[in-house]
Amino acid sequence: EPEVTQTPSHQVTQMGQEVILRCVPISNHLYFYWYRQILGQKVEFLVSFYNNEISEKSEIFDDQFSVERPDGSNFTLKIRSTKLEDSAMYFCASSLTSGISSEQYFGPGTRLTVT
Amino acid sequence: LAKTTQPISMDSYEGQEVNITCSHNNIATNDYITWYQQFPSQGPRFIIQGYKTKVTNEVASLFIPADRKSSTLSLPRVSLSDTAVYYCLVGDYNNNDMRFGAGTRLTVKP
Repeated sequence: EPEVTQTPSHQVTQMGQEVILRCVPISNHLYFYWYRQILGQKVEFLVSFYNNEISEKSEIFDDQFSVERPDGSNFTLKIRSTKLEDSAMYFCASSLTSGISSEQYFGPGTRLTVT
Repeated sequence: LAKTTQPISMDSYEGQEVNITCSHNNIATNDYITWYQQFPSQGPRFIIQGYKTKVTNEVASLFIPADRKSSTLSLPRVSLSDTAVYYCLVGDYNNNDMRFGAGTRLTVKP
């Protein structure tokens, strides 16, 4: 069964540093997403991406965040200057069609620890 | 985006049927009801989706009454491995903003 992959599985960084989280969505999917989950809390939507542009973003996704699909397979989330409160699990997801009515496939996540 | 309300937690025992109800009073005509499951330290996993009446797959059943203001996820004969958080989401193909609530934490005991 095809799956979404994410690298690294765990990233430790110092406050103020830039990090790039990488995802390889399912190959024929067209819609891509990033979510985060702070330990013990709910899953929070960050951004959705389609046709090489952001289609929706939440209030969490401020100027320190950016997304990119640099080639035909990778989808990245960049955090420019990390803060302690960015420590969380970051999940990438992809879907064939759009919206909540689509089936989104989630990756295993990257645990980001900011010290 | 329709707001959803679910119980915070439920306990069950192995072999029992578990029913988790989600209220979505403001559901719109084009909205679908989708359920996800999340194990600790893993990403959510799609379980089932429906629009009306009943949907069944190899994992669960989803019951939706005629007014669609609520839905019930039914897990037959749960096992310890069904211990997870279950999320109900409501929306259509125009909503890419998936707002997960707190979900229902199901604990299955031996």
